[in-house]
Amino acid sequence: DAGVIQSPRHEVTEMGQEVTLRCKPISGHDYLFWYRQTMMRGLELLIYFNNNVPIDDSGMPEDRFSAKMPNASFSTLKIQPSEPRDSAVYFCASRKGAAYEQYFGPGTRLTVT
Amino acid sequence: QQQVKQSPQSLIVQKGGISIINCAYENTAFDYFPWYQQFPGKGPALLIAIRPDVSEKKEGRFTISFNKSAKQFSLHIMDSQPGDSATYFCAASSKGGTSYGKLTFGQGTILTVHP
Repeated sequence: DAGVIQSPRHEVTEMGQEVTLRCKPISGHDYLFWYRQTMMRGLELLIYFNNNVPIDDSGMPEDRFSAKMPNASFSTLKIQPSEPRDSAVYFCASRKGAAYEQYFGPGTRLTVT
Repeated sequence: QQQVKQSPQSLIVQKGGISIINCAYENTAFDYFPWYQQFPGKGPALLIAIRPDVSEKKEGRFTISFNKSAKQFSLHIMDSQPGDSATYFCAASSKGGTSYGKLTFGQGTILTVHP
């Protein structure tokens, strides 16, 4: 079975540009999580969805960040406008039902210059 | 109260030695404690996990020790190998309230195993 798929794997953009990160969860998983990883702050949960509905977005740093899940197999995380401090690795993870285990994708390394 | 504190930040051991990483938590509602292993350029991968109803869980060379009264848990890697060199994260989760299934991660430990 395919794991969590993320694209692109690397993104380099200039400050002020819009960035869209994409995630395809494992088939059958009904929870989807977006994380950000930096050296300073470690792994931070940004937002998570259950059955395509956002449940908790308290980790979203500011209004420049938005996330959507239009269907069970696709989610996006958008940053508009991007800033250099947004440079990080963004991970998507998914989980099935009441199980605790989360499965992470390979991440998108974002560099904002 | 949602924090999970992990130590040490980095650890160097010789091949064949024992690696020990410790974590402490505050929230008594946590009821699931996983450890994740992350190699450079990869996403975290679930390594082993424990529930608070047992004090120890072993899978191969990896063991979690859990002390509920002290609110601490640790990962022991026996016979450490160079291939174990990675970053290890502890985490905790509960199924209560709005935090349903959310993982709170420790800051990570960079493990280097010298051949």
